Amino acid sequence: KAGVTQTPRYLIKTRGQQVTLSCSPISGHRSVSWYQQTPGQGLQFLFEYFSETQRNKGNFPGRFSGRQFSNSRSEMNVSTLELGDSALYLCASSLSSKNNEQFFGPGTRLTVL
Amino acid sequence: QQQVKQSPQSLIVQKGGISIINCAYENTAFDYFPWYQQFPGKGPALLIAIRPDVSEKKEGRFTISFNKSAKQFSLHIMDSQPGDSATYFCAARDASNTGKLIFGQGTTLQVKP
Repeated sequence: KAGVTQTPRYLIKTRGQQVTLSCSPISGHRSVSWYQQTPGQGLQFLFEYFSETQRNKGNFPGRFSGRQFSNSRSEMNVSTLELGDSALYLCASSLSSKNNEQFFGPGTRLTVL
Repeated sequence: QQQVKQSPQSLIVQKGGISIINCAYENTAFDYFPWYQQFPGKGPALLIAIRPDVSEKKEGRFTISFNKSAKQFSLHIMDSQPGDSATYFCAARDASNTGKLIFGQGTTLQVKP
């Protein structure tokens, strides 16, 4: 069974631009969560989607948004990029919103210049 | 109250030794405690997890010890190997906040040959 895939793996943007990251969960998994990983703040929860609905949201500004499609694939968008948005963005999938085991993808490394 | 505190920040162990990483939490609503292992350039991989109704769980060389009254849990890596050198994260999930994992700050483990 294929794992969680994330595209692109690396991205370089400049301040003020916007970016869209994509995540394909493990086949059969319907819940997708997004996390931001930085050296200073560690792993922080962004949001969770299940059945195309946002179920949970972390403490991030409204510039961070996401969505989930009917095939469970998910995208997250960051608008008006800031230098501090440089991070590894990780997607995790699980069978359902109540299922505890979350499996992470390799992440997208975003660099904002 | 949502924090998970992890220690030590870094750890050096000789091959064959025991690596011990500790985590503490405050939120009594946490009901699931996973440990993740992350290698450079990779996403976190689920290693082992425990629920608060058991005091210990063992999988191969990895053991979680859980002390509900002290609100602490720890990861023990027996017979540590150089291939175990990685960053380890503890995490916790709030039963009322499905899909959201709260992560510790991570421990960088180096196992010397």
